[in-house]
Amino acid sequence: DAGVIQSPRHEVTEMGQEVTLRCKPISGHDYLFWYRQTMMRGLELLIYFNNNVPIDDSGMPEDRFSAKMPNASFSTLKIQPSEPRDSAVYFCASSFYSNQPQHFGDGTRLSIL
Amino acid sequence: AQTVTQSQPEMSVQEAETVTLSCTYDTSESNYYLFWYKQPPSRQMILVIRQEAYKQQNATENRFSVNFQKAAKSFSLKISDSQLGDTAMYFCAFMKIKSSGDKLTFGTGTRLAVRP
Repeated sequence: DAGVIQSPRHEVTEMGQEVTLRCKPISGHDYLFWYRQTMMRGLELLIYFNNNVPIDDSGMPEDRFSAKMPNASFSTLKIQPSEPRDSAVYFCASSFYSNQPQHFGDGTRLSIL
Repeated sequence: AQTVTQSQPEMSVQEAETVTLSCTYDTSESNYYLFWYKQPPSRQMILVIRQEAYKQQNATENRFSVNFQKAAKSFSLKISDSQLGDTAMYFCAFMKIKSSGDKLTFGTGTRLAVRP
């Protein structure tokens, strides 16, 4: 079975540009999570969805960040406008049910110049 | 709020030997899950082992086992017969049990190096 698929794997862009990160969860998984990993703050949750509905977005740093899940097989995390401090590895994870382990994608390494 | 503490930023072990990684957590919840995830240089986050708080028996997965001490809020990971492929960052994580699902709260990680 295919795991969680994220794209792109690497993204380098200039400050001020719009960035869109994509995620395809494991088929049948009802929960989708977006995490960010930095050296300073470690791994932190940004937002998560249940059945395509955002449940908790308290980790989204500011209005420049937005996430959508238009259907059960696709989610996006958008940053507009991007800033150098947004540079990080962004992970998407999914789980079948609330008490099941979360399976992570390979992450997107984002560099904002 | 829950916190997870990993007090060992780095550890090193000789191949074939045993190593134990420490993790403590703080919560007022009585029912929850604890996890160990491995992140090799390839950057993947790989689930190593899971423990349900209501289970007294320590979880085991092949060479990986945990020592779960609920009263002490301790959740250490033991790796037996260490292999070079075990070289990675190891993250301890906590998750509340909620019907609406919940996030993982991660520790800061322990970097493990297995020496040949």
